[in-house]
Amino acid sequence: GAGVSQSPSNKVTEKGKDVELRCDPISGHTALYWYRQSLGQGLEFLIYFQGNSAPDKSGLPSDRFSAERTGGSVSTLTIQRTQQEDSAVYLCASSSGTGYDEQYFGPGTRLTVT
Amino acid sequence: GDSVTQMEGPVTLSEEAFLTINCTYTATGYPSLFWYVQYPGEGLQLLLKATKADDKGSNKGFEATYRKETTSFHLEKGSVQVSDSAVYFCALPASGGSYIPTFGRGTSLIVHP
Repeated sequence: GAGVSQSPSNKVTEKGKDVELRCDPISGHTALYWYRQSLGQGLEFLIYFQGNSAPDKSGLPSDRFSAERTGGSVSTLTIQRTQQEDSAVYLCASSSGTGYDEQYFGPGTRLTVT
Repeated sequence: GDSVTQMEGPVTLSEEAFLTINCTYTATGYPSLFWYVQYPGEGLQLLLKATKADDKGSNKGFEATYRKETTSFHLEKGSVQVSDSAVYFCALPASGGSYIPTFGRGTSLIVHP
């Protein structure tokens, strides 16, 4: 079946512009996570959705970052007024449970801020 | 809180060498344990898992045994291939009141022909 998909796969933007990153989770998966992975670094948790609600958004680094999820499915991560330090790979993952189960990851969006 | 400690990388091996990547954890209770693999340019994917003490997870020639007494889940493979070059992450599922899994920092494996 279809896995987790993310778009775009690559995004180059100028400093100060806004960007939207999209995640399509596996159908029926209620839990959705966003992570950030900087070059050569591990995973940095950003936000967790259960259905359309975000019980944990503690990892969002600043108020320039926001995310929403609609219909219990697609999620969008928005970064406003991008900065060079926002350059990273943004990974989305979904799971059928509440984090106690295996996570299924998308291929990521590589964001480069020039 | 829960934590995962992995050996620092990169680990550089020649093809057909034996691989060990160490992972130790701190957790409440006896959670499941996971190893994920991230190939270049891709997202993470589950490599193997173990759900209780003394369980051995295995996949693609990789193995890891859940050792409760040493709180370890070391990843091993008897003969690595160039295609095994990737970053390997040890992970704990969410626990308690948190819904967030705990990942190690990842260990990069480079296999030379």
